[in-house]
Amino acid sequence: EVQLVESGGDLVQPGGSLRLSCAVSGFTFSSLWMHWVRQAPGKGLEWVADIKQDRSEIHYVDSVKGRFTVSRDNAKNSLYLQMNSLRVEDTAVYYCVSGPGWDFDNWGQGTLVTVS
Amino acid sequence: DIVMTQSPDSLAVSLGERATIKCRSSQNILYRSNYKNYLSWHQQRPGQPPRLLIKWASARESGVPDRFSGSGSGTDFTLTISSVQAEDVAVYYCQQYYSGPITFGQGTRLEIK
Repeated sequence: EVQLVESGGDLVQPGGSLRLSCAVSGFTFSSLWMHWVRQAPGKGLEWVADIKQDRSEIHYVDSVKGRFTVSRDNAKNSLYLQMNSLRVEDTAVYYCVSGPGWDFDNWGQGTLVTVS
Repeated sequence: DIVMTQSPDSLAVSLGERATIKCRSSQNILYRSNYKNYLSWHQQRPGQPPRLLIKWASARESGVPDRFSGSGSGTDFTLTISSVQAEDVAVYYCQQYYSGPITFGQGTRLEIK
């Protein structure tokens, strides 16, 4: 069974930076297309970014383009999200999600990012 | 962007009764080359992360009770819970992955009457 464990969430001031990590186990990480999805307090789900197995495709939602960078290390079974120029509206729980493609299979527990 | 619209926003159902949640996409999400609808349903119980219930509009995930079923094609989809149980209290989201950006419906909150 795939397990996804996020870390790195914290309280940060507007304009600051943060790096989220997601450790994956229980499956061959290099075969997974990985995503970040966020959920603002009391709100719905918003897809943020994704990265293909071999890093040949990377996509972002418009609101984070130029500020966030998604990356992965297949040797370390890990996914990352570098978040720069953070805004109050980036406050959310950030979920790491995996799947064979854009179809999701497994969700992590999430990590809370608070920009204030 | 493809907009996903769910209805209703919330519903209250008695235990053992049927619950029906609708999801409409602003564009067709049926890929005709493989005849697959690029739509999933996710459940988020209070205080929990989301969980995949159904993908490809009607393929139930392993371990998901068979009272959950998905149907529909093209732009109109339905999640049906045939006999609601207490543990089904949650917010349900549809999601399209036909084209980027991946988008979700606004969610439907299911409560017990």
